[in-house]
Amino acid sequence: AQTVTQSQPEMSVQEAETVTLSCTYDTSESDYYLFWYKQPPSRQMILVIRQEAYKQQNATENRFSVNFQKAAKSFSLKISDSQLGDAAMYFCAYRSAGGGGSEKLVFGKGTKLTVNP
Amino acid sequence: GAVVSQHPSRVICKSGTSVKIECRSLDFQATTMFWYRQFPKQSLMLMATSNEGSKATYEQGVEKDKFLINHASLTLSTLTVTSAHPEDSSFYICSAYYQPGLAGGPSDEQYFGPGTRLTVT
Repeated sequence: AQTVTQSQPEMSVQEAETVTLSCTYDTSESDYYLFWYKQPPSRQMILVIRQEAYKQQNATENRFSVNFQKAAKSFSLKISDSQLGDAAMYFCAYRSAGGGGSEKLVFGKGTKLTVNP
Repeated sequence: GAVVSQHPSRVICKSGTSVKIECRSLDFQATTMFWYRQFPKQSLMLMATSNEGSKATYEQGVEKDKFLINHASLTLSTLTVTSAHPEDSSFYICSAYYQPGLAGGPSDEQYFGPGTRLTVT
């Protein structure tokens, strides 16, 4: 079974600075997807960024980018120019590629990000 | 697009009663819906996967007779907590998956509802 590990229960960053959240995963599959979700205090899950394992290029979405190291099974999230609205729980998630989106997501335990003004 | 709603957003019920939570995909047809449970300051725990018109697949350790899931249409899934007890108090989240290839739909993602807070007294 696949597992996702987030080793940082909490992180903090100064507004406008850069922060990196870590995620490692374990799988024997070669084709899969990785995600970062944000859960603000409202508790609505918001997709931040997605990476297909077959793509060597790291995904980016505006201020958010990932460092995907397939051999090391590492998938970190970098948030640049941090804003107060970035404060939230961040979950790393894994999904097998076989059945498409009907495959379940496997979540890490989450990292609580605090942004200091 | 790709909006998922849940109703109710909050519910308080007495121990021993049953409560139903609805999950609707408002602007797309969801071939698969997922139900998660989240305890305070913890991650999401998948409870079950439901496909329209068929029985739900429950994760190990989840009591299927206690957590009844019905996915009667491509836009609605319901979770019924039967004979609820205080330990069932939690935050319940659904997500809906749209299958690419269906006209007018969003991308190949799971879309999450806003969640339902259940308190059993």
